[in-house]
Amino acid sequence: QSALTQPASVSGSPGQSITISCSGTSTDVGGYNSVSWYQQHPGKAPKLMIYDVYNRPSGLSNRFSGSKSGNTASLTISGLRAEDEADYYCSSYTSYNTLVFGGGTKLTVL
Amino acid sequence: EVQLLESGGGVVQPGGSLRLSCVASGFTFTSYAMNWVRQAPGKGLEWVSAISGSGAKKYYAESVKGRFTISSEYFKNTLYLQMNSLRADDTAIYYCAKTIGHFWGGWDYWGRGTLVTVSS
Repeated sequence: QSALTQPASVSGSPGQSITISCSGTSTDVGGYNSVSWYQQHPGKAPKLMIYDVYNRPSGLSNRFSGSKSGNTASLTISGLRAEDEADYYCSSYTSYNTLVFGGGTKLTVL
Repeated sequence: EVQLLESGGGVVQPGGSLRLSCVASGFTFTSYAMNWVRQAPGKGLEWVSAISGSGAKKYYAESVKGRFTISSEYFKNTLYLQMNSLRADDTAIYYCAKTIGHFWGGWDYWGRGTLVTVSS
């Protein structure tokens, strides 16, 4: 199955809000609520930011939020900070009993 | 404190084999599904395989099915990935990751990864 579709890059200024989209099909994003988002800084392991579409792990800032409409999931970061600059990946369970990632989005904080 | 520590990476020739290990601590190993995820140099994340807490359910990405085998030893709190018939495109950092809740939920803890290089 094909990877989920994410924009290659997004940018925003400190304090602003940005949204990263993650497009799939009815066999993955659209069919299940097992969508997750990960943040990865260079040379580091990924960090879970959102799971099951909109749930935040314990202790994570509420500046990060997730949503889904049809076959597209979204990650919104509000009150952008310099430390949010990183790569972001979405993932989804699929009807083939596998998991698929998006290609990743590089967030630049201007 | 939850910790995951991978080992077993290295340089191997095409067609060769390697076994990765991931020692877990700080949580009840049998209560959570575990996964292997890889990342080729400069590339994105790719899910490789998953195993249920009981070890009864195992799933694989198409790219590794028939070549890789996931397993676990619960008395050692250790996850394994046996990799056979390795190819150049298997070169990557391999991470083990713990599921936060249900089988296909997000992964809340990751190891630091172990590098596998397939090259002649």
